[in-house]
Amino acid sequence: DTGVSQNPRHKITKRGQNVTFRCDPISEHNRLYWYRQTLGQGPEFLTYFQNEAQLEKSRLLSDRFSAERPKGSFSTLEIQRTEQGDSAMYLCASSSFGQIYEQYFGPGTRLTVT
Amino acid sequence: GQQLNQSPQSMFIQEGEDVSMNCTSSSIFNTWLWYKQEPGEGPVLLIALYKAGELTSNGRLTAQFGITRKDSFLNISASIPSDVGIYFCAGIGDKIIFGKGTRLHILP
Repeated sequence: DTGVSQNPRHKITKRGQNVTFRCDPISEHNRLYWYRQTLGQGPEFLTYFQNEAQLEKSRLLSDRFSAERPKGSFSTLEIQRTEQGDSAMYLCASSSFGQIYEQYFGPGTRLTVT
Repeated sequence: GQQLNQSPQSMFIQEGEDVSMNCTSSSIFNTWLWYKQEPGEGPVLLIALYKAGELTSNGRLTAQFGITRKDSFLNISASIPSDVGIYFCAGIGDKIIFGKGTRLHILP
């Protein structure tokens, strides 16, 4: 399977704990995006990388959130001191240099904060 | 801020019927994307539109980029059970904005 993969698929954590999610994009794609999706809503943009450079961050990305893509391949999204409001599906997408607008999504990581 | 109004919110149709849904905005977009999402999965790209007035097909799906650049339409012809899911539009201007989705249900 050469699509976008995300791990874990599900994460249940207690409020106050830190969590980290991983995204592996399609191998030839140089852009990688993170989104958050809550029930009944469309995906909301969080941040994106071109290669290893983080080029844009949404104001939704509070100080407790940090994303990295150290070698321009996989990316991690960390949430520190989780809150119940962080419960959501976290989606990763990637796109190629030639077709930057055509974003291909992974299956997502469902986070539940108890 | 920019917003997309996607309608209808949900549709209940008989198998074999044609389906139409749309997205409108007060903002202009340079690109429109249509995605389908099934429960527990990420959105799957169906069609990308790059030019005002463009009409693009993908099998039984046809999408149009509105001439004003503020809207887009998706039609599904001769619906089948596997068409069930949530359809999202996304407009790209200086940001990417997703609609809230149209939930398609097919009655047995």
